[in-house]
Amino acid sequence: DTGVSQDPRHKITKRGQNVTFRCDPISEHNRLYWYRQTLGQGPEFLTYFQNEAQLEKSRLLSDRFSAERPKGSFSTLEIQRTEQGDSAMYLCASSLGGEVRREGQGEQFFGPGTRLTVL
Amino acid sequence: AQKITQTQPGMFVQEKEAVTLDCTYDTSDPSYGLFWYKQPSSGEMIFLIYQGSYDQQNATEGRYSLNFQKARKSANLVISASQLGDSAMYFCAMREFLSGTYKYIFGTGTRLKVLA
Repeated sequence: DTGVSQDPRHKITKRGQNVTFRCDPISEHNRLYWYRQTLGQGPEFLTYFQNEAQLEKSRLLSDRFSAERPKGSFSTLEIQRTEQGDSAMYLCASSLGGEVRREGQGEQFFGPGTRLTVL
Repeated sequence: AQKITQTQPGMFVQEKEAVTLDCTYDTSDPSYGLFWYKQPSSGEMIFLIYQGSYDQQNATEGRYSLNFQKARKSANLVISASQLGDSAMYFCAMREFLSGTYKYIFGTGTRLKVLA
């Protein structure tokens, strides 16, 4: 399977606990994105890596959220002291990016998501 | 102001008919990209079609075509010969390059139901 994978697929936790999600992008993709999607809404951008560098972080991402991509391959998203409002689907996507003028499609390929439920 | 607007929360179409899903956008980036994704009830996001801001022709991918009207800032998705399996949420998205990074913004989606 050469698609984007995410682990776990489902996570149920109690309020106040820490959780960590993992994303393995398509191997040759240099860009990796995290999104949050709540019921009935489109994905909301959280953060974005180009290789190992975190280039953009949404204002939606509070200090309780941290993401890493240590070797420019897989990425982790950690949520500390979870709150009920963190319950959502967390989506990871990857893309192959190039120079701006030759960006081409650069479409994102999404993983299956991790559904987080905070009780 | 919304960067991506999808004004149709839900749409119905008869099987084998064509349907148009609306999308308007707003950006100051002269070199942007527009995407449509399908999200079935299983949850995965599936890329359907892409249109670059400099593309002269409307994009087509099989039964999907994108009606790109740059001056009106619209990028409507046309699905021809609808199939039952087309029932899903459809999201319009835009990629723009601002402040030195790429940003992807998604609309709120349109739920399409294909009727037998």
